[in-house]
Order: sequence, then structure tokens, then C-alpha cells
Amino acid sequence: KQEVTQIPAALSVPEGENLVLNCSFTDSAIYNLQWFRQDPGKGLTSLLLIQSSQREQTSGRLNASLDKSSGRSTLYIAASQPGDSATYLCAMRDANAGKSTFGDGTTLTVKP
Amino acid sequence: ETGVTQSPTHLIKTRGQQVTLRCSSQSGHNTVSWYQQALGQGPQFIFQYYREEENGRGNFPPRFSGLQFPNYSSELNVNALELDDSALYLCASSLGTSGWEADTQYFGPGTRLTVL
Repeated sequence: KQEVTQIPAALSVPEGENLVLNCSFTDSAIYNLQWFRQDPGKGLTSLLLIQSSQREQTSGRLNASLDKSSGRSTLYIAASQPGDSATYLCAMRDANAGKSTFGDGTTLTVKP
Repeated sequence: ETGVTQSPTHLIKTRGQQVTLRCSSQSGHNTVSWYQQALGQGPQFIFQYYREEENGRGNFPPRFSGLQFPNYSSELNVNALELDDSALYLCASSLGTSGWEADTQYFGPGTRLTVL
């Protein structure tokens, strides 16, 4: 059974700081990994998707990496802004592209 | 905007009642997944449909059931509501064919269900 853990549960940083969010998983037989952000009371917005055969993806100030051997993924946010404040969730899709297992998220606060 | 819509936005029901939640996927998206998200937790996978057939299910009892229609809409039905069913219910759609872009899940804004 896949288990996904995100540490820390909450993070507060000053504006402009570079930061890394962590996601660990127990079963390396994944189809893909997707990072999302969720604003309070809202749905999820897709940030980056990494296929099982890939090591990283980049979009603007965001970079996500995947290391299946260690069961880890990281989301790097460069030059953080107050608008980046949200909960960030990672999700592993299982090997047959069916079930997605989510972590409980890291709530990020970027202070002006 | 993801192009995925859900209705209603909010819903209040009493224990024992039945509820139907609706989702409209992006045109051409053959896969729809439903999730339950309790406060402060990540979404929990309920089930997934591909071209109107269920092709994956999480650890939810049979009173959670679904339908997917040819017009890219879908439903989540919950019978015999319990207090613990109170949550945000999210649907997500994807193309469902190979390739990274096809596999990206696009989420709707969710339906907030409160069971009293």
C-alpha cells in the first residue's frame, strides 16, 4: 500500500527566499508524480507532472525532482512571493495509471 | 481555470439521506476520478472511470457509487449518509491516453458536503 508523507506540515518564509518542499513515498512502482497547490477552500491546481521515467520538470520558478530509488520528490520554489502562499500537495499515481495517493500537504506562508 | 466544473458548490444533508454530486469534465477527457478531502488532509481516492467503465477504486464502501456519461459528465452518489462523509468532494479529469500532458489531472473546485 502506497504511503505518501510531506514534511514539514507548515512552513513560513520571508519573501524572496528560495525553498524546498519534500515528499516521500513507500512504493517506487509509480506511473507518475504530480505536484499541486490548493488555496483555502478551493480545488487543486496542477503545477508539475513527472513521469516515472523522468527525473525532473521545470516551470517558471518551480522545479520538481523525482528519485524513485530513495522514494523522494522535491519541489523547489525560487524567489518566493506572497502569492505563493498556499498548501502544496504531491500525489503518486500507481503503476496502472489508476489510483492517486496524496500526501497531506505542506502549508506555505510567504511573508512580505 | 481548469475547465472542470462541479455542482452544487455547497450541500447540507442529514444522516441517512442520499446525495448526488455532479462533475463536468473538459471535452475529450476520457478519465474522471473522484476524491474525498477531509479538513486538513490530502484528497483520498474514491474511484476512477475511463470511458464509462470503473477502472479503479479506493477503500470506500459500496454506498459510494458513480457514473460517467458519454458527454464527459459524471456523478458521485452516496447512499445512507454518515456524519464522517462531511468533506470536500473533488473530481479530476484527464485525457487518459499516454503521454505526460494526457496524464495531467485537472481538478474542479469541489463540492462541500455537510452531513448533520
